[in-house]
Amino acid sequence: NAGVTQTPKFQVLKTGQSMTLQCAQDMNHEYMSWYRQDPGMGLRLIHYSVGAGITDQGEVPNGYNVSRSTTEDFPLRLLSAAPSQTSVYFCASKASGTDTQYFGPGTRLTVL
Amino acid sequence: QQQVKQSPQSLIVQKGGISIINCAYENTAFDYFPWYQQFPGKGPALLIAIRPDVSEKKEGRFTISFNKSAKQFSLHIMDSQPGDSATYFCAASGTSGTYKYIFGTGTRLKVLA
Repeated sequence: NAGVTQTPKFQVLKTGQSMTLQCAQDMNHEYMSWYRQDPGMGLRLIHYSVGAGITDQGEVPNGYNVSRSTTEDFPLRLLSAAPSQTSVYFCASKASGTDTQYFGPGTRLTVL
Repeated sequence: QQQVKQSPQSLIVQKGGISIINCAYENTAFDYFPWYQQFPGKGPALLIAIRPDVSEKKEGRFTISFNKSAKQFSLHIMDSQPGDSATYFCAASGTSGTYKYIFGTGTRLKVLA
């Protein structure tokens, strides 16, 4: 059981570039979410999904897209990276009917 | 109304002392209040959580105290150890069919040996 995995661990982008942050879980969890963590601001919810084919916006969705075609995967897309998107990104998952949310190890993204 | 306010921002405690971190919320629809522990370079991990039907929950050296009328909850770490040095986040969520967690801004705890 690998839990929640994220790739890459580190990424440097130039302003305007696009990229996809990958997230996968092997626990058959229905719920998955993306957060960004910035100094002094805690974790802020970007997008979340309550099941395959269902996604919704969190607190800070602008500049990010998501899709959920399978239960296991929940990629986060940056369409046109901006320096304000420099952050550490965490993916998390949770089984329906339970409370415990499991986080991945994070992706540190720098946008120049 | 969606905020969760956490204090202090940082905390230094001597080994064996008590660490106390406080959080306050505004939205009365919240009904699940977890605390997460995060070590440098790692993702947050659930430490302990409480629901509003009880005023206190204890797991080992970790205790959550919950005051529903004041809309406040706190984490107490008894007999703090250097291995407890980490960043702690409180959070709140509702169970209205959504999956939205609101996190506090975090407290960096350092326990001196």
